[in-house]
Amino acid sequence: DAGITQSPRYKITETGRQVTLMCHQTWSHSYMFWYRQDLGHGLRLIYYSAAADITDKGEVSDGYVVSRSKTENFPLTLESATRSQTSVYFCASSDWVDEQFFGPGTRLTVL
Amino acid sequence: AQRVTQPEKLLSVFKGAPVELKCNYSYSGSPELFWYVQYSRQRLQLLLRHISRESIKGFTADLNKGETSFHLKKPFAQEEDSAMYYCALLETSGSRLTFGEGTQLTVNP
Repeated sequence: DAGITQSPRYKITETGRQVTLMCHQTWSHSYMFWYRQDLGHGLRLIYYSAAADITDKGEVSDGYVVSRSKTENFPLTLESATRSQTSVYFCASSDWVDEQFFGPGTRLTVL
Repeated sequence: AQRVTQPEKLLSVFKGAPVELKCNYSYSGSPELFWYVQYSRQRLQLLLRHISRESIKGFTADLNKGETSFHLKKPFAQEEDSAMYYCALLETSGSRLTFGEGTQLTVNP
């Protein structure tokens, strides 16, 4: 499972600050995804990418920005962090959308 | 709109008892459904998919189109089955999964 990594694993920041969460995969998977995990809401898709330079919004994309200039990297940026963005963030990658391989997660706290 | 519902947020059973984790979906086409699992201190991973009709770790799941359900079942629960379970539906576009809210299963000794 070392094929997909996330950094940092834990992050505390303040309201209004910009934060970037990194995701890197070594499998050359075409698809990459960002989810947030919250109690009562399960996993919700933030953004996804079908290939380098192709990204699309998920159901909770407001306040987030992504880029994918290289196949292996898919950073997620919170432009101006809010307390409601406190969550656990998971990155995933796959060749086929159905079997996604997940990273270890980043626990983000916005004070 | 596509939707996946897992009505039980928490489920607790004793070792050796049968367990059923419920999943209901709304979908206008021919659905493809999956169960993902996250064990403590491990990554979320695919458990099984309905099209393969296989049993993984003793778990099975049958797609019931009439009831729009895809419940996960195991006849005899084990302590190592304790985990968070997510039901997921492949969207029409084939480009992403919609996950349910998750069910935290605890198997007590």
